[in-house]
Amino acid sequence: AQTVTQSQPEMSVQEAETVTLSCTYDTSENNYYLFWYKQPPSRQMILVIRQEAYKQQNATENRFSVNFQKAAKSFSLKISDSQLGDTAMYFCALTIAGGTSYGKLTFGQGTILTVHP
Amino acid sequence: EAQVTQNPRYLITVTGKKLTVTCSQNMNHEYMSWYRQDPGLGLRQIYYSMNVEVTDKGDVPEGYKVSRKEKRNFPLILESPSPNQTSLYFCASSLGWLAGVNEQFFGPGTRLTVL
Repeated sequence: AQTVTQSQPEMSVQEAETVTLSCTYDTSENNYYLFWYKQPPSRQMILVIRQEAYKQQNATENRFSVNFQKAAKSFSLKISDSQLGDTAMYFCALTIAGGTSYGKLTFGQGTILTVHP
Repeated sequence: EAQVTQNPRYLITVTGKKLTVTCSQNMNHEYMSWYRQDPGLGLRQIYYSMNVEVTDKGDVPEGYKVSRKEKRNFPLILESPSPNQTSLYFCASSLGWLAGVNEQFFGPGTRLTVL
C-alpha cells in the first residue's frame, strides 16, 4: 500500500516571497510518479507539476519547482515570487506505474497556502 | 471545449434513497476515476476504470458502485446513501492507461449532503 503525508495543514507567505510545501510518501515500488495539484477556492483541481521517479533531475514549471529526494521519499514544492493567485490548497499525489496498484492515485491531506499582499 | 462534466453539482438527499452522480468526458480518454474529498483527509480514490468494462476499487469503495459501459461515461452510484457519504466528489479522466504520465482532468465537483 502507498501513502502520502503532508504535515503542514496551513502555510502563509508574503507576496513576492518564496515558500516550500512539504510532502513525504511511502511505497515499495521503484517506478512511480509524483504530482502537485492546486485547488483554488473555485474547487477546480489543477495540475501544477509532475515528477517521474526514474528521473534524477528535479522538475520545474515557471515559478514552481520540486525538490525530489528519492532515498528519503520526500517531494517538496517550492513556489518562487509568490502571487496572490497562488492562494489555494495544494495536494501532493503519488501513482504507481505498474503492478497491482496500477491506476491507483493516492493524495496527501493537503496544505492550505495563503499569500498575503 | 475539452472537459469533464458532472451532474448534479449540488445534491441534498436522505438516507437510503438511491442516487447516481453522472460523469462524462469528451476527450476520448481511456482512464476515468472517482474521488471524494473530506476535510483533513485530502482526496481519496473510490473507483477507477482503465477502459470500457474494466473497473477497479480504489481506497474507499464501500457503499459505492460504478459502471463503464461506454468510454465517455463513468457514473457513480450510491445504492443506499448514508450520512458518512456526505462529501465533495470529483470525477477525473486521463488519456491513457498510465494515469501517472498523463495529466488527469478533473470535473467541477459534486457537493453531496445525506441527511
